[in-house]
Amino acid sequence: EAQVTQNPRYLITVTGKKLTVTCSQNMNHEYMSWYRQDPGLGLRQIYYSMNVEVTDKGDVPEGYKVSRKEKRNFPLILESPSPNQTSLYFCASSFDGGRPSNEQFFGPGTRLTVL
Amino acid sequence: EDQVTQSPEALRLQEGESSSLNCSYTVSGLRGLFWYRQDPGKGPEFLFTLYSAGEEKEKERLKATLTKKESFLHITAPKPEDSATYLCAVQDYTGNQFYFGTGTSLTVIP
Repeated sequence: EAQVTQNPRYLITVTGKKLTVTCSQNMNHEYMSWYRQDPGLGLRQIYYSMNVEVTDKGDVPEGYKVSRKEKRNFPLILESPSPNQTSLYFCASSFDGGRPSNEQFFGPGTRLTVL
Repeated sequence: EDQVTQSPEALRLQEGESSSLNCSYTVSGLRGLFWYRQDPGKGPEFLFTLYSAGEEKEKERLKATLTKKESFLHITAPKPEDSATYLCAVQDYTGNQFYFGTGTSLTVIP
């Protein structure tokens, strides 16, 4: 089944404790992206990757890191989480983000709480 | 600054009562405009892509249209299973950045 998977689905942590949220897709997509969703603010793009070893900042990259060493995986790293990073996070992928007709496939989401 | 505004924030319809959702946008060099459906506790699910003014696309009870400044999602004779949050997103001229609206929460009452 074609899908985007994220782990963990739920995470409660404390300020300053480094964490990684994994994202994997099995559709051989070139483009992958991370978003956070907050009430009243909608989905905001954190980072995106056009292909292996090629990443760039989205609208809200502060406090996050990403890496793309393999085509299928795109982990999101919070090196020193803070309470304002409490949010619902989504990973998404598409064949090629540059093509106007390419929809993104979203993962199920990771709900992160930073105390 | 690239921006997407959706209205109304919430909409309650009786089953069979048709209506429209609005998405207005400002973006430098629109590559595409997307509509997604999001059910509670799930990731957004793709519905439509539009990329030129005048374009229309249909799927079951949904029809999306696009002008130079806004898009509409028309819902004809909705059913309770159409209840969800509908998100609009625009793709900028680079093709790599996407801007989402805050969504319209639709409730269809039997």
